[in-house]
Amino acid sequence: EAGVVQSPRYKIIEKKQPVAFWCNPISGHNTLYWYRQNLGQGPELLIRYENEEAVDDSQLPKDRFSAERLKGVDSTLKIQPAELGDSAVYLCASSLKREWFSYNEQFFGPGTRLTVL
Amino acid sequence: AQKVTQAQTEISVVEKEDVTLDCVYETRDTTYYLFWYKQPPSGELVFLIRRNSFDEQNEISGRYSWNFQKSTSSFNFTITASQVVDSAVYFCALMGFSGGYQKVTFGTGTKLQVIP
Repeated sequence: EAGVVQSPRYKIIEKKQPVAFWCNPISGHNTLYWYRQNLGQGPELLIRYENEEAVDDSQLPKDRFSAERLKGVDSTLKIQPAELGDSAVYLCASSLKREWFSYNEQFFGPGTRLTVL
Repeated sequence: AQKVTQAQTEISVVEKEDVTLDCVYETRDTTYYLFWYKQPPSGELVFLIRRNSFDEQNEISGRYSWNFQKSTSSFNFTITASQVVDSAVYFCALMGFSGGYQKVTFGTGTKLQVIP
C-alpha cells in the first residue's frame, strides 16, 4: 500500500513569493491533515478535512494561507505571500475515520521543508 | 484547552539500557485518544500506538511498552534493551473533542540518542 505522498520535498523561496504544497493521501482515507512543524517542536495542526469539507481550520492563518481538497482526495496548501517566519516543515497526514468518535491513527507523509529567504 | 507535556527534551542511553519517555497530558474531555509517534532522522512520523481514554490496560509490543494512568494523566513509553535504531525523536499526542472540533495536540518531543 502506497503511503502519503507529498511534493516537493524541499522548497526555497524569497519572502513575498507564493508557494504551494501538494499532498496525495493513502487511498480510501477520508480525513486529511496539514501540519506545520518548526525546528525542535511538535507538529501543529493547520487544517483538517473530512472528505472535501474543512472541518477545522481554526489554526490556519487565513490572511496568507489557503488550502483546498478537491474531490476529497488530493490537497493543496498555499502560502501567499510567504514570510520569513513561515520557514518550517509542512506535513500532510491522512486517516480513516469510521464513526464520529473514532480517532484513528494518522499516517504521515515525508513533509516539505520550506526555507524562506 | 488541551496540553501535552514531554518534559524530557533529550535523553542519551547506552545500547541495551532501558529507557522511559514521559508524557503528561491535560484535557477536559471524557473521551480522548493518546498516541505515540516516532520521527527518525529521515523525518517521517511513524505511528507506534493508540490508546483511548477508557482503556487503561498497559500494552507491550516487543521491546516497547506503554503505561497509561488516568489518575496521573500520564502515558509513558518504555523501550527495553534499547538499540541504535531506536534513536529518534518521539512525540506523544492527544486527540479530543472540544467545542465541536476534533483537537489534535502534539508534545514538543523527546530526542532519544542510543549510543553504541
